[in-house]
Amino acid sequence: QQPVQSPQAVILREGEDAVINCSSSKALYSVHWYRQKHGEAPVFLMILLKGGEQKGHEKISASFNEKKQQSSLYLTASQLSYSGTYFCGTECGAEKGNTPLVFGKGTRLSVIA
Amino acid sequence: DTEVTQTPKHLVMGMTNKKSLKCEQHMGHRAMYWYKQKAKKPPELMFVYSYEKLSINESVPSRFSPECPNSSLLNLHLHALQPEDSALYLCASSQKAGTGTVGELFFGEGSRLTVL
Repeated sequence: QQPVQSPQAVILREGEDAVINCSSSKALYSVHWYRQKHGEAPVFLMILLKGGEQKGHEKISASFNEKKQQSSLYLTASQLSYSGTYFCGTECGAEKGNTPLVFGKGTRLSVIA
Repeated sequence: DTEVTQTPKHLVMGMTNKKSLKCEQHMGHRAMYWYKQKAKKPPELMFVYSYEKLSINESVPSRFSPECPNSSLLNLHLHALQPEDSALYLCASSQKAGTGTVGELFFGEGSRLTVL
């Protein structure tokens, strides 16, 4: 089942912060975050496994609330290079075997000078 | 080598043609995937191969036929396609297969297919 992302699009000025949300109606095993720039392949950002962990990489971090079946991606002090479409991907029941990674519809982020 | 290589980058074909898309990875990954992506849409999973065996087929029409000749190669054979099949076809691989999370997917740059 496809996760729901919000907002659909956001425009930021350099240095501003943004939050992208991802939610599912099904119990989640993991949440994945990818960024895709126009005309390029999706690039992995991070993965969060159930357990309510938070991960970070430089100015991009994410949280995973297992009880609420939600994840949020935090972009702080945005840079022009952050522009692109952000997809969350979710896995359900992966303990039992390969379950497909299903992507949300994406959030288009534009950072302007 | 952390690359997934796809060929061709662009392909134009008629509805009666037979063509193939190719994907190669040399990272020793045990799972390989085909995704289809339409403009401004997310990648949609088509097929998953785990240890060279087809493990997931997301109800894809038979005009798309996947093949995994060995652990490094993945093909997608195309026959009698429709104009609505025009899209970016992405190949990906991941280190892990089987139970647990698929982990990080490494995507190729894709093959842009146009069906006339």
